[in-house]
Amino acid sequence: AQSVSQHNHHVILSEAASLELGCNYSYGGTVNLFWYVQYPGQHLQLLLKYFSGDPLVKGIKGFEAEFIKSKFSFNLRKPSVQWSDTAEYFCAVSISGGYNKLIFGAGTRLAVHP
Amino acid sequence: DAGITQSPRYKITETGRQVTLMCHQTWSHSYMFWYRQDLGHGLRLIYYSAAADITDKGEVPDGYVVSRSKTENFPLTLESATRSQTSVYFCASRETSGDGYNEQFFGPGTRLTVL
Repeated sequence: AQSVSQHNHHVILSEAASLELGCNYSYGGTVNLFWYVQYPGQHLQLLLKYFSGDPLVKGIKGFEAEFIKSKFSFNLRKPSVQWSDTAEYFCAVSISGGYNKLIFGAGTRLAVHP
Repeated sequence: DAGITQSPRYKITETGRQVTLMCHQTWSHSYMFWYRQDLGHGLRLIYYSAAADITDKGEVPDGYVVSRSKTENFPLTLESATRSQTSVYFCASRETSGDGYNEQFFGPGTRLTVL
């Protein structure tokens, strides 16, 4: 069965620190990849997505992610985090042609201290 | 306003009671989804629907029932609530796409507590 692993469950950073959140998936075929963010008390919002082309994807609020097919990874990065980035981040995978059923990772809670 | 709404936002019920969570979207999206969010598990798919009157099971369907008589509505019913169904429930929808790369849009969630 397909699965998504997020390596860090909790991350604590100071403002201006760099961020990298790991995401690995298990599926050998064509996939679409997503990062969603959930700010405290809010619903999930799309940060960025990859479905083809340039493996380096830029999203909203200065986030980017790199798809490395050989490593089955889609890590999220931000060079300098802000207090407002405090949220939970979810990596998700959909199998191409599979009704777009999203398989989510367990999530990473990021706390950014001023 | 256009979007996806869920009601109620908060619900407390007792074991054994039937509970229905409502989801409504104004985009006429074909696909709709129900997820539950639990600590340490992320979001898990309960049921999804590809169109009106077409539904299918997701990863954790046991104890839940769905219907889709109208494109815009996708209610989720807990036939006999159990404590293990205490969770936050998210409804989502997306446009029709043969390749599946369109993003899903999520509702605000319903926090359900079963006592």
